[in-house]
Amino acid sequence: NAGVTQTPKFQVLKTGQSMTLQCAQDMNHNSMYWYRQDPGMGLRLIYYSASEGTTDKGEVPNGYNVSRLNKREFSLRLESAAPSQTSVYFCASIPLQVTSGNTIYFGEGSWLTVV
Amino acid sequence: LAKTTQPISMDSYEGQEVNITCSHNNIATNDYITWYQQFPSQGPRFIIQGYKTKVTNEVASLFIPADRKSSTLSLPRVSLSDTAVYYCLVGGLYSSASKIIFGSGTRLSIRP
Repeated sequence: NAGVTQTPKFQVLKTGQSMTLQCAQDMNHNSMYWYRQDPGMGLRLIYYSASEGTTDKGEVPNGYNVSRLNKREFSLRLESAAPSQTSVYFCASIPLQVTSGNTIYFGEGSWLTVV
Repeated sequence: LAKTTQPISMDSYEGQEVNITCSHNNIATNDYITWYQQFPSQGPRFIIQGYKTKVTNEVASLFIPADRKSSTLSLPRVSLSDTAVYYCLVGGLYSSASKIIFGSGTRLSIRP
């Protein structure tokens, strides 16, 4: 059981390039989230998806697009990367209905540098 | 989700008990309190959750007073490996998806 898997783990982009961060979960969770974390800072929500086919903006959606391809996969796209988007990106998932205990599951992160 | 307030940072020494308090004055009746731990270069991971009174597991204890407007994460006999950022989240059982906003967390540093 892999949990939440993110690819790539590391990426260097030039300003203006585009790329897609992939996220997949094998826990049959309904909701998925993308966060970014700048050095020494907390997590900020970019976009989330309640279920397959739906997406909603988070705190910092500008410069990003997302796609909930199916129940397992939730991708984050940078159409024209900017140095301000240099960050660590975390994907997370939760089941819609949970009992007390495990709630949010995170991937290992994707380190993105835009030069 | 209810807004939470917790200290930005704390320092302690190995072997000490560490208590991190989170304020959540606007907690709703069906909200649970959940704490996450984040090590450098890793995603946050769940450590403990509670609704009222006291909860204890192999990692930590969570104390919640009767009014539930605050909660205290207690880490017994900390070691260097407990150096991490600790986040307090307050919310329902996510019966419907919603924004899950993390605050800045508490950066805990343990010294030898």
